[in-house]
Parts: sequence; structure tokens; C-alpha cells
Amino acid sequence: RKEVEQDPGPFNVPEGATVAFNCTYSNSASQSFFWYRQDCRKEPKLLMSVYSSGNEDGRFTAQLNRASQYISLLIRDSKLSDSATYLCVVKGTGNQFYFGTGTSLTVIP
Amino acid sequence: GAVVSQHPSWVICKSGTSVKIECRSLDFQATTMFWYRQFPKQSLMLMATSNEGSKATYEQGVEKDKFLINHASLTLSTLTVTSAHPEDSSFYICSARGGGWRDEQFFGPGTRLTVL
Repeated sequence: RKEVEQDPGPFNVPEGATVAFNCTYSNSASQSFFWYRQDCRKEPKLLMSVYSSGNEDGRFTAQLNRASQYISLLIRDSKLSDSATYLCVVKGTGNQFYFGTGTSLTVIP
Repeated sequence: GAVVSQHPSWVICKSGTSVKIECRSLDFQATTMFWYRQFPKQSLMLMATSNEGSKATYEQGVEKDKFLINHASLTLSTLTVTSAHPEDSSFYICSARGGGWRDEQFFGPGTRLTVL
């Protein structure tokens, strides 16, 4: 089983829609969770960190469910500029970070 | 977030030459730096983890004699691709962790290497 799993998508949603991505992780001892966005041919950029139950920043909300070992990212009122690949990253023990393969989102006009 | 720079942003070289890529944390001291490579439409692949002042820890399958990593200071790590070949052509990205941040990694803009 992979350490971190994401639905690769693609997710194609209309502007203004709400979209949610899930990311499951295998190590129940994981403590730190992150969502990054990566645009084509660019580096990942940190979107949100989650250390407790969740985090919210404007239209973006991340929720952590420790019992079921998943973390979700909710994007409300999608914009064209939200089109990107969203990476889920989970920190294991020590310096080990596990990356999901990414979920592709395209927001359609 | 914190700022990480990478230089050069792209490089084209002949097969057999060595290429050095620099990664700098500009506004924080990076206790740990990571080096990744990414092929088109694929996920980031961790190559190695380096802590300042100590030897890098390489992931399985990554040749340490081919990909030399030096992390001599808290703001600078270098990756040298020695005797580069066309199959080494890829997008190399560094990230840094440290400063007042807890576990966040901040990525450099990447270096696109093309070996002819």
C-alpha cells in the first residue's frame, strides 16, 4: 500500500463550483499534512498546512480525519486560476515526507 | 511563505559534462534541504535529503557518485550531476525546511536540465 494516495482525476468543474479532493495516508502516527498546488512546468507552492483538525484560508478549507486517515481539500467558488495539480504531502517520522501523485483540476469557463 | 531560489533555471549541456545546480534559502536558515526530480507528467521523485554539515541521505536507486550533494551552509545546497547523459534530462527541484517554520517545505523554482 502506498503511503499517500490521491485520486489523480482529472476533475473538470465549471467556474463557481465547489470541488473536494481526498487524500488517504497509511501511517496513523503522521502528524503534519500539507496541500500544495503545482502548475504545469512549475514548482509546488504551499497552499495549506494542517497540524490539528483542519485549516481554512479564504475559499480553501482542509479537513483532517484521523480516524479514517484522510485529509481533504475543499475549494469553493472555483476560479479559472485554480486550475492546477494539487499535491497532498504527509510527514512521517524524522525527515520523511510522502507525496501523493497529485490531483488534476481544470476549471472551465 | 519563505523564499527559495535555484540557479540556473535552465541549462543545456553536452553529454559527459558536469552540471552544478544551486539552491538557496533567501530569508530563513534551512536545516534540511531536499532534492527532487520530475519527469513530464509524473510525480516528484525524492532523490536525497541533506542536513547542513552532514552527508546527504540518498533514496534507493539514486547514485550518490553521480548526483553529488553538498550542504555546506544553512542557506546553500548544491547538486552536481556528474558526467550527464541524455537520460538525466529532467526538471530538478530543491526544497528547504527550517527557520521558524515547523514542517513546511518551500520549493525553489526548479532547474530544467537538457543533456544533448
